[in-house]
Amino acid sequence: GENVEQHPSTLSVQEGDSAVIKCTYSDSASNYFPWYKQELGKGPQLIIDIRSNVGEKKDQRIAVTLNKTAKHFSLHITETQPEDSAVYFCAARAGTALIFGKGTTLSVSS
Amino acid sequence: GAGVSQTPSNKVTEKGKYVELRCDPISGHTALYWYRQSLGQGPEFLIYFQGTGAADDSGLPNDRFFAVRPEGSVSTLKIQRTERGDSAVYLCASSLMGNRADTQYFGPGTRLTVL
Repeated sequence: GENVEQHPSTLSVQEGDSAVIKCTYSDSASNYFPWYKQELGKGPQLIIDIRSNVGEKKDQRIAVTLNKTAKHFSLHITETQPEDSAVYFCAARAGTALIFGKGTTLSVSS
Repeated sequence: GAGVSQTPSNKVTEKGKYVELRCDPISGHTALYWYRQSLGQGPEFLIYFQGTGAADDSGLPNDRFFAVRPEGSVSTLKIQRTERGDSAVYLCASSLMGNRADTQYFGPGTRLTVL
């Protein structure tokens, strides 16, 4: 089955810096890759997703890149703000379910 | 519009008891998913409904876990003879159609604590 690895597990940046989180997946049949942000005590919230027919997608300060040959995808957050602090999860979908990475705790200090 | 809602938000029970967790999906969404999230981990898939039927229950850990969606909307996750290892946040998600590139929207979760 699908396996998703996510790095780093923790990331600390200064406000205004960029943050990059990387994920790899194992199932070449996966064709949908969402990123979720989870704040303490809340459910995961979709922030951006990418489908396998696209190499890059951008939404304001957030961008995602996908390399299907290498089976990895990355989240890029520019001009980070303190409210970006949260746990971020990548996921991949090959069959029915989303398979999640273990998460990255992002801390943005002002 | 309204998102996915789950009740209760917190549930504390004793080992061996039976619990029911409820999920109200986004109106019109035909697909519904249950996930379980342990502390410090990503959500793990439990079961997927397309309409009223369980299309994939491969993630259910054992036969103490069961879920229903009798009218194709609200779903209930049922856990019998709870064990301390069942303690986790149980998340529900819904999507419009359930196909492989369909966005899943999550609810806030139910935190289950088994004493």
